Amino acid sequence: AQSVTQLDSHVSVSEGTPVLLRCNYSSSYSPSLFWYVQHPNKGLQLLLKYTSAATLVKGINGFEAEFKKSETSFHLTKPSAHMSDAAEYFCVVSEADSNYQLIWGAGTKLIIKP
Amino acid sequence: NAGVTQTPKFQVLKTGQSMTLQCAQDMNHNSMYWYRQDPGMGLRLIYYSASEGTTDKGEVPNGYNVSRLNKREFSLRLESAAPSQTSVYFCASSEIGGSSSYNEQFFGPGTRLTVL
Repeated sequence: AQSVTQLDSHVSVSEGTPVLLRCNYSSSYSPSLFWYVQHPNKGLQLLLKYTSAATLVKGINGFEAEFKKSETSFHLTKPSAHMSDAAEYFCVVSEADSNYQLIWGAGTKLIIKP
Repeated sequence: NAGVTQTPKFQVLKTGQSMTLQCAQDMNHNSMYWYRQDPGMGLRLIYYSASEGTTDKGEVPNGYNVSRLNKREFSLRLESAAPSQTSVYFCASSEIGGSSSYNEQFFGPGTRLTVL
């Protein structure tokens, strides 16, 4: 059965410093993995996706994530945080065995300090 | 392209009242979904429709019904609203199968529902 664990409910960084949002997953088969972002009182936007091609995935707004099968991780990073990055981030897993249903992590709220 | 649209944006109901949340997509997607989002939790799937004419229960279907009216539209109905259904509801659509082997979903802006 699939599951997703986002290891931090809140992450606080200073503007201009690196961002690391951690995600571990459990999947029986080859999963697809996604990161979505939700700005306050807004809908959900896809940041990036891993679908069994390159293990290092680049997304929008300078974010990237690395799929590490041996560690069952898909951590999201950005070299330099911007105030506009303040939002909630969701790690999501999907696999063909479960009819491609998306399983969502609980979310990590990213706080940017000026 | 409007993408995925939802109406209404906000709604306040009294316990026991009924209402229908509307969702439409203009991306010609086969699959559509209804989720709810509660504080401190990720999205939870209520119902989905893999294709026109089919609907299936998700993780939390109790208290809800859905209708896939046509390929574009997928509505969610609360027959007798309860305070536990206070939440933000998101509709999504995706294209699975054919050239797509993964489920990238596109979301509407959400409906914020309060049940008193």
